[in-house]
Amino acid sequence: DTAVSQTPKYLVTQMGNDKSIKCEQNLGHDTMYWYKQDSKKFLKIMFSYNNKELIINETVPNRFSPKSPDKAHLNLHINSLELGDSAVYFCASSQDHTGGREQYFGPGTRLTVT
Amino acid sequence: GENVEQHPSTLSVQEGDSAVIKCTYSDSASNYFPWYKQELGKRPQLIIDIRSNVGEKKDQRIAVTLNKTAKHFSLHITETQPEDSAVYFCAATQGGSEKLVFGKGMKLTVNP
Repeated sequence: DTAVSQTPKYLVTQMGNDKSIKCEQNLGHDTMYWYKQDSKKFLKIMFSYNNKELIINETVPNRFSPKSPDKAHLNLHINSLELGDSAVYFCASSQDHTGGREQYFGPGTRLTVT
Repeated sequence: GENVEQHPSTLSVQEGDSAVIKCTYSDSASNYFPWYKQELGKRPQLIIDIRSNVGEKKDQRIAVTLNKTAKHFSLHITETQPEDSAVYFCAATQGGSEKLVFGKGMKLTVNP
């Protein structure tokens, strides 16, 4: 009965490669997010989708491309990986995007770029 | 945009002591202030939240206070236990939106 799940849990890859992270939620929520947590534990929003529509797009390099095939899934594709992309990426979901809704986080994907 | 400052960055207490974490925010339109706990290697999890129309909220050993005039909010943990050891994040919405801006986190260590 996992609420928000992500795959893979760990991802080790070399600079220049392209990789994807997948996220799924079974809470029936309308809104999903991607966050990046760097080595100093700083948690910063990257993207948000509501019912498959992009609603938040922070200042993120365009090598990062989110895709939401349906409201239960939000994937993150990263092209031409760089050392600075190494971080933990968390997916999250909330009931809707009206504000003031609890965000439920996935277990995270630890990305290491060598 | 919203800016959330959190302090201290680390706090070490003895079991049974109280712990207080303070945050300030900049956007006067912020209306939702959650607190998340993140244990080592785990996901952030909501422990308590407060909305801008409320000044204080309590849930067992944890309480949060909000001062809208001064734009600061605090988390209070009483009778701390070793399992309270974690990183605690405060956050605030940017305006009335769903976008959460997080503080930099505070590592709490509770020594038995």
